[in-house]
Amino acid sequence: DVKVTQSSRYLVKRTGEKVFLECVQDMDHENMFWYRQDPGLGLRLIYFSYDVKMKEKGDIPEGYSVSREKKERFSLILESASTNQTSMYLCASSPAGTGGYEQYFGPGTRLTVT
Amino acid sequence: AQSVTQLDSQVPVFEEAPVELRCNYSSSVSVYLFWYVQYPNQGLQLLLKYLSGSTLVESINGFEAEFNKSQTSFHLRKPSVHISDTAEYFCAVINTGGFKTIFGAGTRLFVKA
Repeated sequence: DVKVTQSSRYLVKRTGEKVFLECVQDMDHENMFWYRQDPGLGLRLIYFSYDVKMKEKGDIPEGYSVSREKKERFSLILESASTNQTSMYLCASSPAGTGGYEQYFGPGTRLTVT
Repeated sequence: AQSVTQLDSQVPVFEEAPVELRCNYSSSVSVYLFWYVQYPNQGLQLLLKYLSGSTLVESINGFEAEFNKSQTSFHLRKPSVHISDTAEYFCAVINTGGFKTIFGAGTRLFVKA
């Protein structure tokens, strides 16, 4: 059974803290993605990676960075958390190539920044 | 630029009634289309997808969607819903040669007894 896991389901951090969200997939997928999900806005792409050490900005990369040192792991970093980064964060993976492959999602991390 | 519009943010319906969740997209190139479902406290999972061929695609749990190129729509339907279908449904589109999937804002389906 394919699986994408995220390090935490719920996280509470203070403004200004550095926050790490970890995602691991066991499907040997080349592509990995980080989204944030907000009510009424759907999913918005923060960053994606199509190979180890490769990364591309998505639609809303400001305030975030990513790291992919190993194929199975994709980390999202909030350098200095702010209250407007309170959200649900979803990680996903898909096989190599473009277009028609479905994405497999983790359960999400609900981050609250106070 | 691509975009996806889900025309209803919430759809309440009684159990065993039919339902249609509407999705329209805009794109200047060929696309693949998806419906994902998110049950409470879970991530998204694929419900069905259109890549090519027959414009009517079906899921294993009774949902179907029809790709209408002229109307740029991909509406999701089910003839008789169950309480367990209560979830949020997301329509998504991607260029046939692209990496980036564009998601709609989601439609919350509430099935009432």
